[in-house]
Amino acid sequence: GAVVSQHPSWVICKSGTSVKIECRSLDFQATTMFWYRQFPKQSLMLMATSNEGSKATYEQGVEKDKFLINHASLTLSTLTVTSAHPEDSSFYICSARTLAGEREQYFGPGTRLTVT
Amino acid sequence: SQQGEEDPQALSIQEGENATMNCSYKTSINNLQWYRQNSGRGLVHLILIRSNEREKHSGRLRVTLDTSKKSSSLLITASRAADTASYFCATDDYGRGSTLGRLYFGRGTQLTVWP
Repeated sequence: GAVVSQHPSWVICKSGTSVKIECRSLDFQATTMFWYRQFPKQSLMLMATSNEGSKATYEQGVEKDKFLINHASLTLSTLTVTSAHPEDSSFYICSARTLAGEREQYFGPGTRLTVT
Repeated sequence: SQQGEEDPQALSIQEGENATMNCSYKTSINNLQWYRQNSGRGLVHLILIRSNEREKHSGRLRVTLDTSKKSSSLLITASRAADTASYFCATDDYGRGSTLGRLYFGRGTQLTVWP
């Protein structure tokens, strides 16, 4: 149980285009989903917290207009990287939490984004 | 912002040896978690230790927590080649009065276990 999927697993796009990444909880309802980015050999940096039906909470320094997050249902959150540039190339990972107050988060397998 | 700092950054050992990784954090915590990440993959939750616990075991894993020193350690006993991965500690922000439960990760330790 508690499986989180991401789609696509990898994507290559041209500079200036937008890319959407999906995060789904497959066998549970996720009240909260989180989005992280990870550069090679570095740690995960939290980008934003997404609650179903409400606006995402972005971490300091993360551009909300560039990284659009939509959490339309209890099983799906999407991250759209708008007008992508090569510096946005990174590994994007989502996680989901089952209940408010639950400590453990369940992580997706990640999406490798390369912007050329 | 990052919360924890792990050391060492990289650890290379032979199969059968024990691996110890340390993590330090900066603020008050309700609990501390350890995660594992295989190269280019998502994270797998290993163990959670609460702030009122000093030690916890799970299989070959042993985690200690010293809240006075704001530090934790993860010990993997009798390591195997399959244990090769990056290990991260993480704290959440419940201990700082937030209800979001955001996780903040340390830099991680890259463990390589040679057969």
